[in-house]
Amino acid sequence: AQSVTQPDIHITVSEGASLELRCNYSYGATPYLFWYVQSPGQGLQLLLKYFSGDTLVQGIKGFEAEFKRSQSSFNLRKPSVHWSDAAEYFCAVGGATGTASKLTFGTGTRLQVTL
Amino acid sequence: DAGVIQSPRHEVTEMGQEVTLRCKPISGHDYLFWYRQTMMRGLELLIYFNNNVPIDDSGMPEDRFSAKMPNASFSTLKIQPSEPRDSAVYFCASSLGTASLSGNTIYFGEGSWLTVV
Repeated sequence: AQSVTQPDIHITVSEGASLELRCNYSYGATPYLFWYVQSPGQGLQLLLKYFSGDTLVQGIKGFEAEFKRSQSSFNLRKPSVHWSDAAEYFCAVGGATGTASKLTFGTGTRLQVTL
Repeated sequence: DAGVIQSPRHEVTEMGQEVTLRCKPISGHDYLFWYRQTMMRGLELLIYFNNNVPIDDSGMPEDRFSAKMPNASFSTLKIQPSEPRDSAVYFCASSLGTASLSGNTIYFGEGSWLTVV
């Protein structure tokens, strides 16, 4: 069964500082990986996704993520955080075959940005 | 383009009452998903449809929950009877093709916030 672990429930960073949110996945085949962001009272917005090719993926809002197969990780990064980045971030994994649409989400990491 | 539209945005109901949540997917999308989000369990896929046909309902918690998609532009998630433990945010989402096979994005609605007292 596929699963996602986001070990950090809550992270606080200063505005302008760099950010890395951790994501580890478990999947028996080639994983398709996603990062979503959820602002308070809102739905989920896709930040970026990895399907194949270059393991460093660029997304919206200046975010990037790197797929490391050997570590089963897909960490999200941003070089300089803005106060508007405060939100909850979800990592998700899906597959290429069968019930591919069954995205499995991690429990989320809540990001707080201090000024 | 309008995104995924859900109604109601907020609902407070008494235990035992029937609750119906509604969803209008993005026009042209052939996949529709219902997710539930709680503090304890995070985001869970309840059921998804392809071309209005339910494909996988293994995430539906129990018989009190049912979902329908009578046409390509409308779906409902019904809880009857509702219980306090059903309190959660219910998200509807849609995509064109599966998010994995075709590389397309799953678009989420803003959610229906359900409180059962």
